[in-house]
This record gives sequence, structure tokens and C-alpha cells, in this order.
Amino acid sequence: DVKVTQSSRYLVKRTGEKVFLECVQDMDHENMFWYRQDPGLGLRLIYFSYDVKMKEKGDIPEGYSVSREKKERFSLILESASTNQTSMYLCATWPSYNSPLHFGNGTRLTVT
Amino acid sequence: AQSVSQHNHHVILSEAASLELGCNYSYGGTVNLFWYVQYPGQHLQLLLKYFSGDPLVKGIKGFEAEFIKSKFSFNLRKPSVQWSDTAEYFCAVRGDSNYQLIWGAGTKLIIKP
Repeated sequence: DVKVTQSSRYLVKRTGEKVFLECVQDMDHENMFWYRQDPGLGLRLIYFSYDVKMKEKGDIPEGYSVSREKKERFSLILESASTNQTSMYLCATWPSYNSPLHFGNGTRLTVT
Repeated sequence: AQSVSQHNHHVILSEAASLELGCNYSYGGTVNLFWYVQYPGQHLQLLLKYFSGDPLVKGIKGFEAEFIKSKFSFNLRKPSVQWSDTAEYFCAVRGDSNYQLIWGAGTKLIIKP
């Protein structure tokens, strides 16, 4: 069974702080995604990575960056957290085209 | 641009009622279609998917969905819901020339015991 682990379930940060959200997978999947989930908006793609050191912007990359130094780890970075980045952040992996996404449990980030 | 529309943001039903959640998409080509479910406090998981073949797809826990190409729809159904079906349900679509999933806004389903 695929395991996608997000390092924190809940996180509270102050405006202006640099925030790191970590995601680790144990199945050697090439593709990894960061989404944010907001009520009434569904899931919106922030960034994705299709290989080590490779990254692509999603629909809402502003205010975020990512890092993928190793295949199993995909980090989302909020350079300077703002209150409008308060959200649920979901990491997912995708092994192949005919497969579904595998999600982590999410990190609920509150920026005060 | 591709989009996915889920008709209801909230649905409240009694146990044993029949369920139908609507999903419509806009994309002209071949699509892959998904329903994901998120139970309270749990991660998103796949309920069912359609890639090709029989347009009536059966998923886990008694759910099914029907792909109607002419209506650009992929509605989710269950003949008799249970309290444990309380969850948020997301429809998602991927075009055949694309890797990216486009998500609906989600439907929160509450089943009254």
C-alpha cells in the first residue's frame, strides 16, 4: 500500500514567516503534487514535480516554491506566509497515467 | 479551458435514501474521469474511475457512476446510502493529452442516522 506522509497535521505560523511543508512517499513514484484545498473551491494545483529537481507551476504558484532534491521527498515552501495562505495543503503522488493519485492526510496551515 | 462543475455543494439525506451527485465537465476530447471521497479526518481516496469501455462504472462501497458523453456528465450514484457515507465527494477530469487533473469544488454529503 502506498504511503504518503505529510510531516505536520496542523501548523500555526505568523505572517511573514518562511514555512516548509514536507511530503515523503515510500513507493518510488516519479510524479508528486502539491494542492491546496479550500471550501467551495475544490483542489487547486500549486506545483508539481515529475522527477528529481524538476518542477512545474500549477494553477496558483504565486507565493510558493518547491524543492525536490530526492525522489521520495517533495517540499512546499511559503517564502513569506500571508493570511490568505491559510488553507489545507495536500500532497499527492501519481505512479503512472492509468493510476489514481495517492494522497497524504494533509496539513492544515493557519497563518495569523 | 477545462472545467468541472459539481451541482451541489451540500447534500443532506436520510439513511436508505438514494443518492445522485452531479458532475459535468467541459472538454472536447477524450477524458479520464474520477470520483474521489474524503471521509472526515481521512485522506482523499479513489472511489471509482472511468477510462474507456462500459460507461457504467462500479466502485467501492456500492457506488457507481455513469459516463454520458453527449451530456459531458459523470454522475455518482448509490441506491441506498448509509450514515458512514458522510464525506466530501470530488469529481475530477483529465484530458487525454494532459496529465493534470481538473477538480470540481466538491460536494459535502451528510447522512442523517
